[in-house]
Amino acid sequence: QVQLQESGPGLVKPSETLSLTCTVSDGSISSNYWSWIRQPAGKGLEWIGRINTSGTTNYKSSLKSRVTMSVDTSNNQFSLKLSSVTAADTAMYYCAREKKGGIFDYWGQGTLVTVSS
Amino acid sequence: DIQMTQSPSSLSASVGDRVTISCQASQDNSNYLNWYQQKVGKAPKLLIYDASNLETGVPSKFSGSGSGTDFTFTISNLQPEDIATYYCQQYENLPITFGQGTRLEIK
Repeated sequence: QVQLQESGPGLVKPSETLSLTCTVSDGSISSNYWSWIRQPAGKGLEWIGRINTSGTTNYKSSLKSRVTMSVDTSNNQFSLKLSSVTAADTAMYYCAREKKGGIFDYWGQGTLVTVSS
Repeated sequence: DIQMTQSPSSLSASVGDRVTISCQASQDNSNYLNWYQQKVGKAPKLLIYDASNLETGVPSKFSGSGSGTDFTFTISNLQPEDIATYYCQQYENLPITFGQGTRLEIK
């Protein structure tokens, strides 16, 4: 069964760029959309954006100026970059697969990113 | 953006109870509505998709209904392992949005 695993620094300084990678195993990264979703501690879920293997992206408009997503099909990975981070970007970050556009059927375990100097 | 409003925000029920959570969309959503269960310290898990379809492997004690702007999620025969926060989520329009969550506790 498909497994997703997020990786990246757990601590990022304010104004710097958060970079995370999601590795997909036991399944091909092709023919689906792949999303990033975050959750501040004790709060709800926020969709950040998604990418497909053609490189087509959709980003949440309020984050669009700071978000870049990319995909590496040869390594079954997709990535998130979020620039100019502030404390408000501190959250658990999840990667997820969309089995059909908008239905998240597989999720990574999440990685906590803290923005602090 | 489509706003998703869940009610109640928290709920306490007894083992064996039938529990219902509501989700209202700020605009017509057709049936592009999913429900997730999130246990403490875990990633969300898909339970119901397209308003009423049970995800493979999910027990039939979970069910969903509704269309348009009003949706309902039901758990029958509540058990201690059902303690979690439940989220609705729409994908009719981008951005994909989630309800604020309903925290379910056992009395």
